[in-house]
Amino acid sequence: DAGITQSPRHKVTETGTPVTLRCHQTENHRYMYWYRQDPGHGLRLIHYSYGVKDTDKGEVSDGYSVSRSKTEDFLLTLESATSSQTSVYFCAISDRGVLDEAFFGQGTRLTVV
Amino acid sequence: SQKIEQNSEALNIQEGKTATLTCNYTNYSPAYLQWYRQDPGRGPVFLLLIRENEKEKRKERLKVTFDTTLKQSLFHITASQPADSATYLCALPLRNNNDMRFGAGTRLTVKP
Repeated sequence: DAGITQSPRHKVTETGTPVTLRCHQTENHRYMYWYRQDPGHGLRLIHYSYGVKDTDKGEVSDGYSVSRSKTEDFLLTLESATSSQTSVYFCAISDRGVLDEAFFGQGTRLTVV
Repeated sequence: SQKIEQNSEALNIQEGKTATLTCNYTNYSPAYLQWYRQDPGRGPVFLLLIRENEKEKRKERLKVTFDTTLKQSLFHITASQPADSATYLCALPLRNNNDMRFGAGTRLTVKP
């Protein structure tokens, strides 16, 4: 398996609190992605990074921010969690972006109550 | 707006038969397309990438076709086995090619 680790794996948080999810890779891949997966919607891209400090928005970026200060770490922050952000979050990495296969983490199940 | 549609939410077939899954897209002109497998509680796993000029690609019991005129990709699993039961996702790159969009997936069940 590709060296990609998401933490935490499960989290329950209250509405209005900030939450940070971490994605850590040991593959030295340039591209890192955050997706959310909800029933009926499939995987939707939140943000992605194409290098250290280089990030861009995806399809559903409102309410989320990201940071990448090191090649190996990509953080996803929910500034003020809402119930609509209850979802399963997946991190993915890729060496050449969408030209390559993406390797996915195990996912983080986030529940906002 | 761009849309990706996978033919059905669920597909049930008998072991040994060929499973055929469909991925249709509109308002896209992707240069290639990917297929992934996802098991419950796990992240997707890459299966195949096909480029627009390849028309067909095979890997063991898997075959993918890519028809840019019909804007459609077909994913076939021959001699299907219960272990092939999973959700299968198609994915296409968007705009600047750093944005990969996924279909909602088709849940395949292969019955013994």
